[in-house]
Amino acid sequence: DSGVTQTPKHLITATGQRVTLRCSPRSGDLSVYWYQQSLDQGLQFLIQYYNGEERAKGNILERFSAQQFPDLHSELNLSSLELGDSALYFCASSAVGTGTQETQYFGPGTRLLVL
Amino acid sequence: AQTVTQSQPEMSVQEAETVTLSCTYDTSESDYYLFWYKQPPSRQMILVIRQEAYKQQNATENRFSVNFQKAAKSFSLKISDSQLGDAAMYFCAYRSAGTGNQFYFGTGTSLTVIP
Repeated sequence: DSGVTQTPKHLITATGQRVTLRCSPRSGDLSVYWYQQSLDQGLQFLIQYYNGEERAKGNILERFSAQQFPDLHSELNLSSLELGDSALYFCASSAVGTGTQETQYFGPGTRLLVL
Repeated sequence: AQTVTQSQPEMSVQEAETVTLSCTYDTSESDYYLFWYKQPPSRQMILVIRQEAYKQQNATENRFSVNFQKAAKSFSLKISDSQLGDAAMYFCAYRSAGTGNQFYFGTGTSLTVIP
């Protein structure tokens, strides 16, 4: 158990809908990262937050947005969903977000299926 | 942008034998970090081993070790005395030592352990 929690574990929805994925980082970690893993693909970095502020942005679609709240949990919002958005969405956390010894610890993921 | 390449989509090994998974990366940076993550059928991402680019000594964690060749931009993972529980997808990842903490992942190698 990495200490990172994600809810829900599974989500089934229809095209055009909007969903929210939630992540709670490890206790004490200030940075949260979101990744997308499509079928048989590696992980694609979406976005990073550090202590409530956006730190880095990857290949995140405009239909997707995220935020990190004062209690450091983060939410990833996916809107106008398309079939191709079906994937496993991982959240990871690390202590600071930069630094030489940082390792990211991953949550169990949320499996999204868009029908 | 940095790229990480895993040229072996699938590998197999006999139980108790040794297997080596390959990873190459492309970067213009001199300081960075390399990781191997394991993703078992549960889909959880588990850190296996990490290597700092400034260290010449190869990292070792119990049965797992790496062969880091900085000039060749190669970072292979050796699993000794393979066990059934080692069966999983293995992802190689790169992270810059600079600002931000984005990981770049390879597409993974699926390892089968044969009893």
